[in-house]
Amino acid sequence: QVQLQESGPGLVKPSQTLSLTCTVSGGSISSGAFYWSWIRQFPGKGLEWIGYIYYSGSTYYNPSLKSRVTMSVDTSQNHFSLKLTSVTAADTAVYYCAREVPSSRAVDVWGQGTTVNVSS
Amino acid sequence: DIQMTQSPSSLSASVGDRVTITCRASQSISNNLNWYQQKPGEAPKVLIYAASSLQSGVPSRFSGSGSGTDFTLTIRSLQPEDSAVYYCQQSYSPSLTFGGGTKVEI
Repeated sequence: QVQLQESGPGLVKPSQTLSLTCTVSGGSISSGAFYWSWIRQFPGKGLEWIGYIYYSGSTYYNPSLKSRVTMSVDTSQNHFSLKLTSVTAADTAVYYCAREVPSSRAVDVWGQGTTVNVSS
Repeated sequence: DIQMTQSPSSLSASVGDRVTITCRASQSISNNLNWYQQKPGEAPKVLIYAASSLQSGVPSRFSGSGSGTDFTLTIRSLQPEDSAVYYCQQSYSPSLTFGGGTKVEI
């Protein structure tokens, strides 16, 4: 079955850029059947959807983060990535990459999550 | 943004009980509502999509209902493994939003 795995630094300094990659195994991003998303969970346990990217490269971002977020996809490597600029302590969270079913926008596959701390 | 409000924020129940969790949207979202279960140290897992459709592999004791602004997740006969936090999520707006969660203790 499809599995997702996040990778990237666990510690980022304030004002710098958070960069994460999600590697997809057991399925192809290029199938075009799903959206590929990033979701974060804050220490208080609230969940925030960051955005999604389609295999073609088209994206939709959470309006509250849009000015700081860039997502990209590499179909040859079967992975997709997140960049979040100008981070502050408020961006400290567990970051999940995930797969969305377009018809219901249900998130049916999640990565295990990676903790990112923003601290000097 | 569409705001999602869950109640209660936590509950305690016994094995075999019927448990009901409510989710209210700040505007009508038709049936564009999904439910998730999250256990400690794990990612959320989808239980119900489109308000009332059971995700493949999810036990039939879980059910969802509602439309418009008010939705319900019901666990028909609570089991020890159902101890978790449950979240609702709207998919009416292109920007998804989640409820604050309901912690179920057994």
